[in-house]
Amino acid sequence: QVQLEESGPGLMQPSETLSLTCTVSGFSLTSNGVGWVRQPLGKGLVWMGTIWAGGSTNYNSAVQSRLSISRDTSKSQVFLKMNSLQPEDTGTYYCARVNNAFDYWGQGVMVTVSS
Amino acid sequence: DVVLTQTPPTLSATIGQSVSISCRSSQSLLHSNGNTYLHWLLQRPGQSPQLLIYLVSRLESGVPNRFSGSGSGTDFTLKISGVEAEDLGVYYCVQGTHALTFGSGTKLEIK
Repeated sequence: QVQLEESGPGLMQPSETLSLTCTVSGFSLTSNGVGWVRQPLGKGLVWMGTIWAGGSTNYNSAVQSRLSISRDTSKSQVFLKMNSLQPEDTGTYYCARVNNAFDYWGQGVMVTVSS
Repeated sequence: DVVLTQTPPTLSATIGQSVSISCRSSQSLLHSNGNTYLHWLLQRPGQSPQLLIYLVSRLESGVPNRFSGSGSGTDFTLKISGVEAEDLGVYYCVQGTHALTFGSGTKLEIK
């Protein structure tokens, strides 16, 4: 069955670079894209970016200058890297499979940016 | 950027009541390929979002048929025909025609 699992550090310092990994199973990254979505605590969902099945990427213009999404298809992993972290980057980060819509989601990983 | 405006922000319903949530877009969501990439998600408390409806009106596999979606262009509606206790949570519309944006959410409470 389709599964996605996010992993990464829970606590980051301001100005550091965040690295998250989304490990997928049950589908191929060359068949479906994967997106990243952030949710500040108690708030709504914000799209960060998507890496498509062909390997191209699209980013939210609000974070585009700080964000990079890549993948390793052999390991079924998608990576998010975001630099110059600020406290407002705190939240739960989800990865989700693209199939017209985001049809399968990971359980999310909480990231706190604080000094 | 496309803005999705959801109304109402909160909704209180009794079990068995039918309710509707509106999602209005600042631009038409009809893609040049003929699809309209407007979808609906439900996020139950403490859980990840789950897909309910995709491409305006298509019911995701495993989702009860009391959920239905309709609309076109810039105006869309999610209807729940007979609310059940498990339906509580926050409903989001999301568009994928122009980059991707989420609506601000509608919290459904059960009376």
